[in-house]
Amino acid sequence: QQQVKQSPQSLIVQKGGISIINCAYENTAFDYFPWYQQFPGKGPALLIAIRPDVSEKKEGRFTISFNKSAKQFSLHIMDSQPGDSATYFCAASKETSGSRLTFGEGTQLTVNP
Amino acid sequence: EAGVAQSPRYKIIEKRQSVAFWCNPISGHATLYWYQQILGQGPKLLIQFQNNGVVDDSQLPKDRFSAERLKGVDSTLKIQPAKLEDSAVYLCASSSLRRRVHEQYFGPGTRLTVT
Repeated sequence: QQQVKQSPQSLIVQKGGISIINCAYENTAFDYFPWYQQFPGKGPALLIAIRPDVSEKKEGRFTISFNKSAKQFSLHIMDSQPGDSATYFCAASKETSGSRLTFGEGTQLTVNP
Repeated sequence: EAGVAQSPRYKIIEKRQSVAFWCNPISGHATLYWYQQILGQGPKLLIQFQNNGVVDDSQLPKDRFSAERLKGVDSTLKIQPAKLEDSAVYLCASSSLRRRVHEQYFGPGTRLTVT
């Protein structure tokens, strides 16, 4: 019940296109869903996060869509840029306790110029 | 604000040897986490501290891994003896309660290679 499943494993997008990464979770106790961006040789960096009381959150070119009934959430990167090329991880936790993040397996995004 | 600091950045050891990693969290962050990230996978929590007390160590292989956070600030993670499957990046993260959320911030990690 602790799994977070992420897809696709890899994604290639042209500059200016939309990148979409999907995640599904099992544990209904999860109440905090962040996305992390990781460049080679670096630690994951918090990109954007959502709580289940809203269905969408937008920050700049990054949007999280959340579907509580389907237990799914997704990251949309609008106007994708070569600098967005990185590995993206979705995660989930029971935030009220500041508990561990359960990560998805990651999506390697390549944005071609 | 300085980020999470970790050292060393890289370590190569032979199996059955011991190794230790150090982490200095963001100033004022009471919660500290150690994650293991195997190549091509997402990070997996090994241990979580709240101040100097252990909150969650359910996924820590206690027969070989140990961690401490003596004064509620810095932390060390030790592996003794190391196995080949311990080859991974060891990430330290810290968090504090902000706007009802524990946003976790990660250090650059220590890449361990066990030969």
